[in-house]
Amino acid sequence: DGGITQSPKYLFRKEGQNVTLSCEQNLNHDAMYWYRQDPGQGLRLIYYSQIVNDFQKGDIAEGYSVSREKKESFPLTVTSAQKNPTAFYLCASTIAGEQFFGPGTRLTVL
Amino acid sequence: RKEVEQDPGPFNVPEGATVAFNCTYSNSASQSFFWYRQDCRKEPKLLMSVYSSGNEDGRFTAQLNRASQYISLLIRDSKLSDSATYLCAGTGNQFYFGTGTSLTVIP
Repeated sequence: DGGITQSPKYLFRKEGQNVTLSCEQNLNHDAMYWYRQDPGQGLRLIYYSQIVNDFQKGDIAEGYSVSREKKESFPLTVTSAQKNPTAFYLCASTIAGEQFFGPGTRLTVL
Repeated sequence: RKEVEQDPGPFNVPEGATVAFNCTYSNSASQSFFWYRQDCRKEPKLLMSVYSSGNEDGRFTAQLNRASQYISLLIRDSKLSDSATYLCAGTGNQFYFGTGTSLTVIP
């Protein structure tokens, strides 16, 4: 089946540890995005990539890093520099102007 | 000022009611607009695109008013299964999402 997959669904980490969230898509979409959603709030853009080997910061990039070595993959690393990393992280890809989301990873930092 | 703003609600309506949500946007150059539905603890799912001419999908009607810079979503004959959060989105050089409007349909 075609789609966007994110793993794991739930992730627990200790404070001060870096953690990498996976996002894979087999839709052949060029553009991919990472958002963060906090309870009762909308989506905030962390990073996006329009093409392989290129990415841009979104509104809240501090404390995060990404790579786009393959079209299918856009992993997000939450570093220890991110002050409040506990949130719901959503990956998305875009085709023909429409954006589609993966199922999300719920990260809890203890 | 946020690119896209919407009333967070919550909207609590009885089954069968008609409910309308509005979003305003600040960037007049925004090109495309969408409504998404998000169920609790799930990802947003595309509900419908929004066109100036208006578009309808069953009980759902979306409208774009470029002169006043707002988009709307009308849900007729509300069902219990319509209970969710509805997010509006617009595009410029990236996607901009509203904070979402919570809808609960009551039996």
